Amino acid sequence: QVQLQESGPGLVQPSQTLSLTCTVSGGSVRLGGYYWTWTRQHPEKGLEWIGYIYYSGSTDYNPSLKSRVTISIDTSKNQFSLRMSSVTAADTAVYYCARLFWSNGLVYFDYWGQGALVTVSS
Amino acid sequence: EIVLTQSPGTLSLSPGDRATLSCRASRSVSSTHLAWYQQKPGQAPGLLIYDASSRATGIPDRFSGSGSGTDFTLTISRLEPEDFAVYYCQQYGDWPPITFGQGTRLEI
Repeated sequence: QVQLQESGPGLVQPSQTLSLTCTVSGGSVRLGGYYWTWTRQHPEKGLEWIGYIYYSGSTDYNPSLKSRVTISIDTSKNQFSLRMSSVTAADTAVYYCARLFWSNGLVYFDYWGQGALVTVSS
Repeated sequence: EIVLTQSPGTLSLSPGDRATLSCRASRSVSSTHLAWYQQKPGQAPGLLIYDASSRATGIPDRFSGSGSGTDFTLTISRLEPEDFAVYYCQQYGDWPPITFGQGTRLEI
């Protein structure tokens, strides 16, 4: 059973950089056909996809966040990470890491972390 | 980007009832490139349906999906108490970005 676990500071100051790490267990991030993603959910709101990374290092991001987001991967640790710069209160949300299956024209999230609440406040 | 609009925003039903949830796309999502998720309070979303009508592993057959193009439906044939949650649709017909609907809350 694949498990994902987010970790990182729960409080970030405005204008600073948000950093989160997702540790994957029960499966390898090197598995073909699976992409490693970040999605966020604002309080009492819907879901916003942030971006993905493949084990090769290729990435893609939501155009609305692309200028501030970097996703990286450490295959030796079976982890991937999110960095979001210049945060504001509007970035306060629960951040989920998730595995994305992408093959044969199908694209869906099959495993999610439990989520990490990040509050942007001074 | 493709905008997904779910209706109704809230659906009030009772155990044993049939639930019909709608997801409409602002333009075609390339045939059946749509998934449905269930989210319970304090939990991450869980995959229910992919490719518009294929049930994910372990999902009971009271859950079914249908539709194509711009109009999709999630039907729960006979509601169980554990089905009361928020449901999201997600499109992958034209991405990035992957987009989600705003959710339908199914309440007792």
